[in-house]
Amino acid sequence: QVQLQEWGPGLVKPSETLSLTCNVFGGSVTTDTYYWSWIRQPPGKGLEWIGYIHYTGSTNYNPSLKSRVTISADTSRNQFSLKLSSVTAADTAVYYCARAGLAVTTSRYWGQGTLVTVSS
Amino acid sequence: QSALTQPASVSGSPGQSITISCTGTSSDIGGYNYVSWYQQHPGKVPKLLIYDVTNRPSGVSDRFSGSKSGNTASLTISGLQTEDEADYYCSSFSISSTRVLFGGGTELTVL
Repeated sequence: QVQLQEWGPGLVKPSETLSLTCNVFGGSVTTDTYYWSWIRQPPGKGLEWIGYIHYTGSTNYNPSLKSRVTISADTSRNQFSLKLSSVTAADTAVYYCARAGLAVTTSRYWGQGTLVTVSS
Repeated sequence: QSALTQPASVSGSPGQSITISCTGTSSDIGGYNYVSWYQQHPGKVPKLLIYDVTNRPSGVSDRFSGSKSGNTASLTISGLQTEDEADYYCSSFSISSTRVLFGGGTELTVL
């Protein structure tokens, strides 16, 4: 059974960089048929796709966030990470990591989510 | 404003059937069979209900079914139960902008 677990600071100051990591258990980030995604959900609002990475290093980002987002993978640690720069209060959200199939809209396995608040 | 349009809310009585629509364009829903549906209870992680328009992952009740016509996908829940009360999100992939899209979500109330 695949399990994903996000971790990182729960509070980030405006203009700084949000950094989160997702550990993958029970599966390998180097499996060719999966993409590793980040999705967020502002309090009381809907889901927003941030981007995904394939273990080969191929990435795809939401155009609305592309200038501020970097997703990377560390295959030796079986984890992948999110960096979002120049954050504002609008970036306050629950951040989820998830495993997507080749049909990248299909994410069966999700982390439990971590709330990141942007505030001074 | 979400790229995929869902009704903000729907309601039904126990035992009834309801349908939630998700409208996109020919560049996403209408172009490919990459439509998924997620259920999210308050404070919980989204759960995959339907993928590739009509397929159910193992363990998902057959009361949930998906379909598509043109640029609109639909999720039907039959035999409504109180535990179905949740938010539902559709998702597709945009070929034109090469990004994953989510609908704005639909709140289902079981009266």
